[in-house]
Amino acid sequence: RKEVEQDPGPFNVPEGATVAFNCTYSNSASQSFFWYRQDCRKEPKLLMSVYSSGNEDGRFTAQLNRASQYISLLIRDSKLSDSATYLCVVSPSGGSYIPTFGRGTSLIVHP
Amino acid sequence: NAGVTQTPKFRVLKTGQSMTLLCAQDMNHEYMYWYRQDPGMGLRLIHYSVGEGTTAKGEVPDGYNVSRLKKQNFLLGLESAAPSQTSVYFCASSGGLAYNEQFFGPGTRLTVL
Repeated sequence: RKEVEQDPGPFNVPEGATVAFNCTYSNSASQSFFWYRQDCRKEPKLLMSVYSSGNEDGRFTAQLNRASQYISLLIRDSKLSDSATYLCVVSPSGGSYIPTFGRGTSLIVHP
Repeated sequence: NAGVTQTPKFRVLKTGQSMTLLCAQDMNHEYMYWYRQDPGMGLRLIHYSVGEGTTAKGEVPDGYNVSRLKKQNFLLGLESAAPSQTSVYFCASSGGLAYNEQFFGPGTRLTVL
């Protein structure tokens, strides 16, 4: 089983829609969680960190479920500019904090 | 601040040729990483460094070597390029703690013929 798994999509949604992505991780001792965004042919950039209590940044909400070992990203009122690949990233606790990336979920927002 | 820069941006090699990719960061980060990204495969860690003078193998280290002689620079070498090394290479840096964000360079697109 891959350490971090994501549905590759693509998720094809109209503008204004709400869309949610899930990501599961296998290491129960994982400590930190992130969502990165990667535009076509560009480098990944941090979208948001994921905190235990859940957190929101504008139209984006991230949640962590440690019991079921998954994190989620909810995007409300989708914009054309939200079209990108969303990468789930998990960092272990202890030792060298080398993060593990999921393969990404592709989102296409159409008019 | 320039953040993380990579040189070159594009390169075409013939099989068997060698080259070095340079990554530089100006954020005084301890950790630096080299990834490759192929369609459908996501980001795969090649090598990483937890500080000046240190290197360690990642998920896919074969065919690559690295050096971190200065804290701000992380070099990735291909001694004898193979077509299987055609990929987009990203360098990243971070403070090294679990909650630290990784900052990525713009990538190097390498084609090996």
